[in-house]
Amino acid sequence: NAGVMQNPRHLVRRRGQEARLRCSPMKGHSHVYWYRQLPEEGLKFMVYLQKENIIDESGMPKERFSAEFPKEGPSILRIQQVVRGDSAAYFCASSPSRAILYEQYFGPGTRLTVT
Amino acid sequence: DQQVKQNSPSLSVQEGRISILNCDYTNSMFDYFLWYKKYPAEGPTFLISISSIKDKNEDGRFTVFLNKSAKHLSLHIVPSQPGDSAVYFCAALYTDKLIFGTGTRLQVFP
Repeated sequence: NAGVMQNPRHLVRRRGQEARLRCSPMKGHSHVYWYRQLPEEGLKFMVYLQKENIIDESGMPKERFSAEFPKEGPSILRIQQVVRGDSAAYFCASSPSRAILYEQYFGPGTRLTVT
Repeated sequence: DQQVKQNSPSLSVQEGRISILNCDYTNSMFDYFLWYKKYPAEGPTFLISISSIKDKNEDGRFTVFLNKSAKHLSLHIVPSQPGDSAVYFCAALYTDKLIFGTGTRLQVFP
């Protein structure tokens, strides 16, 4: 039973480019969460999605960031016109249902570097 | 506004001794707490959790204690092993999200 998959593991973008981060949840999991970890900080919640729905995006920056979890395929976190401050590790987690939200299983993360 | 705080950024413990990692929180509405372990270049891995209706939960070498009146929890690892060397994050589950502390780096030396 494969765990949460994230790709790419490392992504380098120049300022102004777009970054697309992908997350495939564990088999049978329909809830996906994105967290960001800045250097020397803890993980910060960004967004919670269920298939085709955004449930909670209270942690998402208002501009340039968007997330989706389509009916088919992985969840995508998209960052437009990246800036140096977007450099961070982005982690995806998945859970099987809303009833047991504490069972969040994390992927290995995507490390985004903006040059 | 840091709602979950881990005030010790690092801890060094000898193999075989007890490791105690501490965590404080500010929001009395938090009712479920988790500890995660994280190795470099990997995602956090769930270790142990506790509900606010309990004051202690034990799983093998790991025990979590919760003091609701003090808004404080701690993770005890005994005996500590070199493989326990990692960053440990305390987290609170609030509505649908995890709120993490900044982590404590534990090093277990022989």
